[in-house]
Amino acid sequence: GAGVSQSPSNKVTEKGKDVELRCDPISGHTALYWYRQSLGQGLEFLIYFQGNSAPDKSGLPSDRFSAERTGGSVSTLTIQRTQQEDSAVYLCASSYSTGSSYEQYFGPGTRLTVT
Amino acid sequence: TQLLEQSPQFLSIQEGENLTVYCNSSSVFSSLQWYRQEPGEGPVLLVTVVTGGEVKKLKRLTFQFGDARKDSSLHITAAQPGDTGLYLCAGAGAGGTSYGKLTFGQGTILTVHP
Repeated sequence: GAGVSQSPSNKVTEKGKDVELRCDPISGHTALYWYRQSLGQGLEFLIYFQGNSAPDKSGLPSDRFSAERTGGSVSTLTIQRTQQEDSAVYLCASSYSTGSSYEQYFGPGTRLTVT
Repeated sequence: TQLLEQSPQFLSIQEGENLTVYCNSSSVFSSLQWYRQEPGEGPVLLVTVVTGGEVKKLKRLTFQFGDARKDSSLHITAAQPGDTGLYLCAGAGAGGTSYGKLTFGQGTILTVHP
């Protein structure tokens, strides 16, 4: 079956521009997570969704970052006024539910480069 | 902030050698997971350990969860070049949270030379 897909796979943008990253979770998975992976920080949690609600946004680095999920499926992570420190691989994961025992399946990520 | 300290950060060994990767924290996790990540791909789950003292084996890989559920180890026996990759430990349910937010270690880059 289809796994988690993310688009675009690579994005190069100029400092100050806005970007949108998309995640298509596995069909039927109610929980969706966004993580960021960078050389200096490893893999960091950003936000998670249960259905269309985001009970925990504590990992979003600043108010330039926002995310939404519609129809309990596709999610979009938006970064406004991008900065060079936003350069990283943004990973999306989904799981059947939000309990800590549910396996998270990761997408291939979007590599964002801010020049 | 719950942190997972993973060591070593880099490991370069010859085919056939054994190795152990450690993951330690001051926090208690309800479960701990080990992932392997290849370049250009997302992490792929290898195993989940839930019970303190639990030991799981996956072919040549042995995973152990500490009795207090604060630490874990991954042991590979007779490593092969195909084991080369980034290994990540991740804890879930820190601080009694009921959802699956993962806290990741920094990762171990393993290189196995033929």
